[in-house]
Amino acid sequence: AQSVTQLDSHVSVSEGTPVLLRCNYSSSYSPSLFWYVQHPNKGLQLLLKYTSAATLVKGINGFEAEFKKSETSFHLTKPSAHMSDAAEYFCVVSPFKSGNQFYFGTGTSLTVIP
Amino acid sequence: DTAVSQTPKYLVTQMGNDKSIKCEQNLGHDTMYWYKQDSKKFLKIMFSYNNKELIINETVPNRFSPKSPDKAHLNLHINSLELGDSAVYFCASSHHGSSSYNEQFFGPGTRLTVL
Repeated sequence: AQSVTQLDSHVSVSEGTPVLLRCNYSSSYSPSLFWYVQHPNKGLQLLLKYTSAATLVKGINGFEAEFKKSETSFHLTKPSAHMSDAAEYFCVVSPFKSGNQFYFGTGTSLTVIP
Repeated sequence: DTAVSQTPKYLVTQMGNDKSIKCEQNLGHDTMYWYKQDSKKFLKIMFSYNNKELIINETVPNRFSPKSPDKAHLNLHINSLELGDSAVYFCASSHHGSSSYNEQFFGPGTRLTVL
């Protein structure tokens, strides 16, 4: 069975401090993993994806995520939060050769305090 | 040069009406999807089409009927609209190739309000 758990529904950080958004997954097969960001009243934009080439994945806007198979985690981080990072973030898993099945987490709302 | 487009962006209608939302992608993808996002931002897959054939049909009322006239289009028709249908509907597309590491591209969403 496939599933995604985003451990925090809301995260609040001060501008300039690190961001950590947590994601755990379960997958019967080697998964591909994605993080998407959704700014208010906008569609979803891909931040980064894990393609098995490297466990540390760098994305846009200074975000990165590390795939840890032993912990079945794919946490999203950024060293220094910016006001424009305030948005909803979704972790997504797609099991290998799943026929384009994508499983979404319930989302984490990031607030950045000036 | 919009990759995935949806029309309309906003749709306000009365209960009981029938409405359609259109989606088009110019990425050459062979798989398209419809998602429903509720007020708590939770995204639920509704349908998925691959090369015009239905491959995912989650438990949604049969008032919802997708139609794919060609690989680049996936429209969503909703009959007898109900208050609970109010949500944001997202269209997405992806390429179902030999590699399974293919992300989805999302449209801007259609905010449906049923009065």
